[in-house]
Amino acid sequence: RKEVEQDPGPFNVPEGATVAFNCTYSNSASQSFFWYRQDCRKEPKLLMSVYSSGNEDGRFTAQLNRASQYISLLIRDSKLSDSATYLCVVSGGGSYIPTFGRGTSLIVHP
Amino acid sequence: GAGVSQSPRYKVAKRGQDVALRCDPISGHVSLFWYQQALGQGPEFLTYFQNEAQLDKSGLPSDRFFAERPEGSVSTLKIQRTQQEDSAVYLCASSALYRGHGYTFGSGTRLTVV
Repeated sequence: RKEVEQDPGPFNVPEGATVAFNCTYSNSASQSFFWYRQDCRKEPKLLMSVYSSGNEDGRFTAQLNRASQYISLLIRDSKLSDSATYLCVVSGGGSYIPTFGRGTSLIVHP
Repeated sequence: GAGVSQSPRYKVAKRGQDVALRCDPISGHVSLFWYQQALGQGPEFLTYFQNEAQLDKSGLPSDRFFAERPEGSVSTLKIQRTQQEDSAVYLCASSALYRGHGYTFGSGTRLTVV
């Protein structure tokens, strides 16, 4: 079982839709959680950190469920420019190493 | 510098050739990571430096891969006797010691072994 698992998608949604991705992790002692965005042939860029109480940044909401060991990303009012791959990143719990999921592909169409 | 800089941006190597990939992290960033990313996959960890110390190299796929960061700033990933399966994007990331702010990636080096 991989340490960080994501549904690769693609998620194909119309503009304006709300879409949610989940990511599960295996190390219950993990402490830091992030969502990264990666555009085609570009490097990953930090979208947002995920805090225990959940956090929001504009149209994006991230949540952490420690009991079930997953994090989620909700995107409201999807834009064409949201089309990208969303990578879940987990670190801590005795390791300095950030571990990436394989990413979830989102395609927003007109 | 303002961001993480990697060079070269693209590298085509003949099978068996040695290559060296460079990473210049954000000034003052203690932690430096190398990742390998195959098409359609997430980045896979290769090695980690804290300052000049290589604390983890468990992800290096073979003894043909070697990384160094002698002065705790610029790092070089060297691949000896390249093979076709080494073709991938090699990403470098750096972070401050407190990782709550996440990790900043360079643009990567796309290595193609022919």
